[in-house]
Order: sequence, then C-alpha cells, then structure tokens
Amino acid sequence: KQEVTQIPAALSVPEGENLVLNCSFTDSAIYNLQWFRQDPGKGLTSLLLIQSSQREQTSGRLNASLDKSSGRSTLYIAASQPGDSATYLCAGFGGSEKLVFGKGMKLTVNP
Amino acid sequence: NAGVTQTPKFQVLKTGQSMTLQCAQDMNHEYMSWYRQDPGMGLRLIHYSVGAGITDQGEVPNGYNVSRSTTEDFPLRLLSAAPSQTSVYFCATQLAEPLTDTQYFGPGTRLTVL
Repeated sequence: KQEVTQIPAALSVPEGENLVLNCSFTDSAIYNLQWFRQDPGKGLTSLLLIQSSQREQTSGRLNASLDKSSGRSTLYIAASQPGDSATYLCAGFGGSEKLVFGKGMKLTVNP
Repeated sequence: NAGVTQTPKFQVLKTGQSMTLQCAQDMNHEYMSWYRQDPGMGLRLIHYSVGAGITDQGEVPNGYNVSRSTTEDFPLRLLSAAPSQTSVYFCATQLAEPLTDTQYFGPGTRLTVL
C-alpha cells in the first residue's frame, strides 16, 4: 500500500529564503507525483505534476523533482514571499485511479 | 466557466439524518472523485468515477453512496449521518488520463454531525 509522508508538518521562515519541501513515498511503482497548494478554508490548487518518466517540472519560482529510486520528491520555492504561506500537499498516483496524499506541510513566510 | 462547484458550503446534521452533497463540473471531465479531509489524516478517497454510469470505492467508502448519471454531476449521499463523518468534503475532477492530467478541486463542504 502506497504511503506518502511529508516532514516537517510545519515550517516558518523569513521572506526571501529559498525553500525545499520534502515528500517521500513507499512504493516506487509510481506513475506521477503531484504538488498542491491549499489556502485556509479553500480547496486544493494544483502546482506541478511530474510524470514517472520525468525528473523535474518548473513553473515560475517553483521547481519540483522526482527520484523514484529513492522514493522522494522535493518542491523548491525560490525567493519565498508572504503570499506563499499555505499548506503544501504532495500526492502520488500509483494506478487504480487512486491518488494517495501526504498530510501536508504548513508553510508560513514572515515579512 | 465555473469549474468545480460544491453545495452546500456548510451543513450541520443530527445523527441519523441523511443528506446529499452536490458536486458539479462544466469542464467535461471524465474522472470525478470525492475526498474527505480530517486533521492529522490528510485527504482520503471515498468514492470515484471514471465516467458516467461507472463508480468505484476508494479508501473509506463505508457510510457513503454515489451515483454518476451524467458527466457533469457526482453527488455524494450520506444515508445515516454519524459524528465520525464530521469532516471537510472535497470533490475533484480530472480530464481523462490520470497519468498526465492534474486534478481540479472544488471549494469543499464543511459538514458537522452532532
């Protein structure tokens, strides 16, 4: 059974720092890995999707990488801003139309 | 283009009551799913559908029913609400190919069962 873990559960940083958010998964037979953002009281917004054949994806200040052999994905946020404050979730798709989510990491970027 | 809409936004039920959470999408997406989000538990899949007329169970299906008579709608029914079903419920859609297509989430329904 696929399990997805995000550590730490929360992170507080000053504005301007470059951040690395970690995500680990137990089953390397993963088809894709997705990163989402969730603002308080809102639904999830997709940030990046990395297919198993890819090693990374980039969107603006965000870069996500996938290493299936080590069971890890990282989300890199460059030059963090207060507007980046949110909960970030990763989710692995291992087939059977089921996406398995981590519990999320709450990020606070202080001005 | 409204995307994914969910109604109601908030609901309070008494134990034993029934209700239907509505989810509608106007993106012509084949895949639709229902998740619940609980503190410390993350998001868990309740039921999903790969197209009209086709549904299947997710990780936590007990106490919930679904049907998919149209591409646009995917209602979630609670037959006899229990306090353990207090949660935030999210509907999500996906174009067709789960390997390459991301999921789009609705704003959620916050349900409290007393």
